[in-house]
Amino acid sequence: KAGVTQTPRYLIKTRGQQVTLSCSPISGHRSVSWYQQTPGQGLQFLFEYFSETQRNKGNFPGRFSGRQFSNSRSEMNVSTLELGDSALYLCASSTGQGYTFGSGTRLTVV
Amino acid sequence: QKEVEQDPGPLSVPEGAIVSLNCTYSNSAFQYFMWYRQYSRKGPELLMYTYSSGNKEDGRFTAQVDKSSKYISLFIRDSQPSDSATYLCAMSADSGGGADGLTFGKGTHLIIQP
Repeated sequence: KAGVTQTPRYLIKTRGQQVTLSCSPISGHRSVSWYQQTPGQGLQFLFEYFSETQRNKGNFPGRFSGRQFSNSRSEMNVSTLELGDSALYLCASSTGQGYTFGSGTRLTVV
Repeated sequence: QKEVEQDPGPLSVPEGAIVSLNCTYSNSAFQYFMWYRQYSRKGPELLMYTYSSGNKEDGRFTAQVDKSSKYISLFIRDSQPSDSATYLCAMSADSGGGADGLTFGKGTHLIIQP
């Protein structure tokens, strides 16, 4: 059974640009969540999607957005990038008993 | 006060030792407790998932939850060099994460010396 797949693995962007990250959950999993991991703040919840609807959202500015498609694949978008957005972005899928995480996308903003 | 406190370490122990990792939390609404292991350049891997207070054992790993003390532990028996990683505790009020998703500790960096 394939795990959670995130693409790309690494990204380098310039301040002010926007970026889109992609996540394919485990087959059959309809819930997809996104987390940001930084050395200073650890893992922080961004948002959760279920059946194409955003179900929950963490305390992040509106520059962070996402969506989920009918095949459960999800994308997150960050607009007007800031240096502080440099982080490992993790996607996770769940059936309700814990989350399975992907390997993440490491975003560096320069 | 952060919602979840976890000693960042590093915690260095000899191979074969019993390892004890701990987290304390302040939100009494948390009912679901997890431990994740994260290797460098990888995503977190779920090790243990428990509900409410009590113990759960899986191979060399034992998770303990004491809700009255707001304290959770992970024990690793017969530790191996391959156990060297960062261990993250996580918790939530709902089984599916809920409105605030999972709340994580910052992780303990564990080193098992051969």
